[in-house]
Amino acid sequence: AQTVTQSQPEMSVQEAETVTLSCTYDTSESDYYLFWYKQPPSRQMILVIRQEAYKQQNATENRFSVNFQKAAKSFSLKISDSQLGDAAMYFCAFWGNYQLIWGAGTKLIIKP
Amino acid sequence: GAGVSQSPRYKVAKRGQDVALRCDPISGHVSLFWYQQALGQGPEFLTYFQNEAQLDKSGLPSDRFFAERPEGSVSTLKIQRTQQEDSAVYLCASSEGAVDNEQFFGPGTRLTVL
Repeated sequence: AQTVTQSQPEMSVQEAETVTLSCTYDTSESDYYLFWYKQPPSRQMILVIRQEAYKQQNATENRFSVNFQKAAKSFSLKISDSQLGDAAMYFCAFWGNYQLIWGAGTKLIIKP
Repeated sequence: GAGVSQSPRYKVAKRGQDVALRCDPISGHVSLFWYQQALGQGPEFLTYFQNEAQLDKSGLPSDRFFAERPEGSVSTLKIQRTQQEDSAVYLCASSEGAVDNEQFFGPGTRLTVL
């Protein structure tokens, strides 16, 4: 069975600095997708970034980038130039067999 | 509409009551998913529809939970004889294709069972 682990329940970062959120997963599949979703206090889940497992190049979306280490089954999210609007719960998710398997989330606090 | 909508946004039920939660996916989206999110936790998969066909219901926690999507658009999640452990936010998501995996989420329905 696939599992997703986020070992950081909470992280804080000073505004304008960089923060990295950790995610590890376990699967026997070779072809899959990984996602980072953001859930602000309003609770609507928003896709931040996604990575196809067959692509070696790390995905990047503006200030958000991932460090995908397939052999280590690691998928961390780096947020550069943190902004107050980045404060939210961040969930790592694994897509396989038509299901999204989710981690428990990391609460990101931005200090002004 | 522009996004996935869910109604009601909040629902309070007495233990033993039946509830029905509605999801309006993005127009034309083939796939529809239901998730349950307990407080402070990540979402957990409940069920998946491709058009009107329910292809996976392995995540439904008991036979009190039932979901349908009769015309391949709007979906309803019904919970019979609600119990306190059913209290959670119920999220609906849709995606464009049958195998497309980018899901768009609604705001959720927060269910509180007293």
